[in-house]
Amino acid sequence: ETGVTQSPTHLIKTRGQQVTLRCSSQSGHNTVSWYQQALGQGPQFIFQYYREEENGRGNFPPRFSGLQFPNYSSELNVNALELDDSALYLCASSSSGSSYNEQFFGPGTRLTVL
Amino acid sequence: GQQLNQSPQSMFIQEGEDVSMNCTSSSIFNTWLWYKQDPGEGPVLLIALYKAGELTSNGRLTAQFGITRKDSFLNISASIPSDVGIYFCAGLPAGGTSYGKLTFGQGTILTVHP
Repeated sequence: ETGVTQSPTHLIKTRGQQVTLRCSSQSGHNTVSWYQQALGQGPQFIFQYYREEENGRGNFPPRFSGLQFPNYSSELNVNALELDDSALYLCASSSSGSSYNEQFFGPGTRLTVL
Repeated sequence: GQQLNQSPQSMFIQEGEDVSMNCTSSSIFNTWLWYKQDPGEGPVLLIALYKAGELTSNGRLTAQFGITRKDSFLNISASIPSDVGIYFCAGLPAGGTSYGKLTFGQGTILTVHP
């Protein structure tokens, strides 16, 4: 069974730039959630995708957007990067069955905004 | 928004000791999850709880879903050095609009001295 994978591992951008992060869900999972984890904090929910549509969103501005593809993989896009966007971005996948709340995380992408 | 209060913030224990940590909320949760995160990695799911009063074990780990549905507890028995890491509680608040939106605590940093 293949787990959740994310790319790239690390990324350095400058303020105002745009970034795209990628996630492949665990085999058999059709739902992907994205979280932002600042240093020393717990993950914060950004949004979730199910059947290629956004299925719930946390308190993040519209410059955070996403996509889900037919193979259930997903992208997180952030426009007009700000210094506070520096964080570990985590992707989690889950199934739509009885254990749909059990989210399995990838290793994350460390984004640094200078 | 939803807040989870996790305590203690950190623990320093000797190998072989038992560990207890808890998580409380001001509102009702439908699901409680416990994760462990190692440095540079994504959180790993340890235990999932779905019913008030439920007690579930995973090896030396035991977690309980509080009967008020506003708290959860995690116990680790006979700690070993590889238990070192950050433990997070996460919950899914009651209410139809919170589908998939896990709320995380701030984490408990566990250090185990050999």
